[in-house]
Formats: sequence, structure tokens, C-alpha cells
Amino acid sequence: GAVVSQHPSRVICKSGTSVKIECRSLDFQATTMFWYRQFPKQSLMLMATSNEGSKATYEQGVEKDKFLINHASLTLSTLTVTSAHPEDSSFYICSASARTIEAFFGQGTRLTVV
Amino acid sequence: GEDVEQSLFLSVREGDSSVINCTYTDSSSTYLYWYKQEPGAGLQLLTYIFSNMDMKQDQRLTVLLNKKDKHLSLRIADTQTGDSAIYFCAENSNSGYALNFGKGTSLLVTP
Repeated sequence: GAVVSQHPSRVICKSGTSVKIECRSLDFQATTMFWYRQFPKQSLMLMATSNEGSKATYEQGVEKDKFLINHASLTLSTLTVTSAHPEDSSFYICSASARTIEAFFGQGTRLTVV
Repeated sequence: GEDVEQSLFLSVREGDSSVINCTYTDSSSTYLYWYKQEPGAGLQLLTYIFSNMDMKQDQRLTVLLNKKDKHLSLRIADTQTGDSAIYFCAENSNSGYALNFGKGTSLLVTP
């Protein structure tokens, strides 16, 4: 199947700093990328949907100024957690879709804010 | 969003069949999916079923869909220790290709 690479897989940052997470589709052009957040023992919650070249659409309750999403090309989307706080610690997963029934997922990023 | 419910834990013996159940509320779902997540890893699509089907079989996996009751199940035949993981049921939301997930069922396969 198609490959989506997410980087980094783990990151620890200090409270107040910003962290960028990259999501790349390696062998296909992803017209749409999705960012999810997973809390321990909880389901994945959709944070935002981004289409290449346009602004991301955020789900209700997700702060767009805190979670900056850029989808500058058909193979790359980034999520920047700005001014991170301990409550932002979570597992973040991206998925990429090329208008098929299947969305391919990255391996996830474990963010720990200390 | 719409709710997707799953039982949280299932333990089976190696060689037995596993059945993971899921209920959903969005009757407009077009596709329903089963994903597998191993520790520290992303999600791997196991199988999916179109909403106008009631069964799909793929090697050891059998998906049953009861659209009237909005019930989906995943049966794993001859379960192996390597099948131990979290299994997520998901349905496509009104957003198009974004998925609405259940909380996941932790499957533990014991020797």
C-alpha cells in the first residue's frame, strides 16, 4: 500500500516552545491530509482537514492559532504546535488521501511537553 | 460528531477465533473500516466494507455489517499472537474522507 511518513516519531519539548511535525506522502500525491490527536485509551479525534494550497478546516474546539497546519505541496503537510503546554502532550497522527476510499496513516508522533 | 462504540478489551487463546464488535450511529456512512494499531505505530488498514454489503471476507478476516442495527463486526480466524494490537472501527464522516473512530478494542492473544 501507499506510504505516509511522519516525522519525528517522538519529541520532547519545553513548555512554551513550538514543535513542528511533518507528514509526507512518499509515493502518491495527497490532495487531502488529515490530522488526528489520540489521547490515552481514547479514540482518534479529527483536528483538521487540509487541502493542498488552501487553508485548513479545523474541527470545533481546535484552536487554529495553536495548531498551525500548512499543506504547501501535494506530498507534504506540517502541523506546528505553538507555545506548547503539558496538556498538549499527546499522540498526533496524520493521514493522507488521494480521493480514494482509503486514507493512509503515518506512524504517529508522540509529543511530550515538559 | 457521530458516535462509534466498541468494547475496550478482548482476550482470546491462540488458534481461537476473535470477534470484535462495533456500533455506529451515522446512517449515512458510505464505508466502514477496520484499522489495526500496534504499540507506538500508526494505523494499518485491515479491511473495509461498503455500506450496501453485508459481508466481506479477506483471508482470515471476515467483516459482517448489519446496516439496520448499525452493527459491524470483525472476525479473525485462527488468531495468532502477532494479532495482539488495538483494533479501531471507523466510518467516513460527512466531511468526506475524514474518519470517525471508535475508542479501539485491545486484543490480547495468549499462547
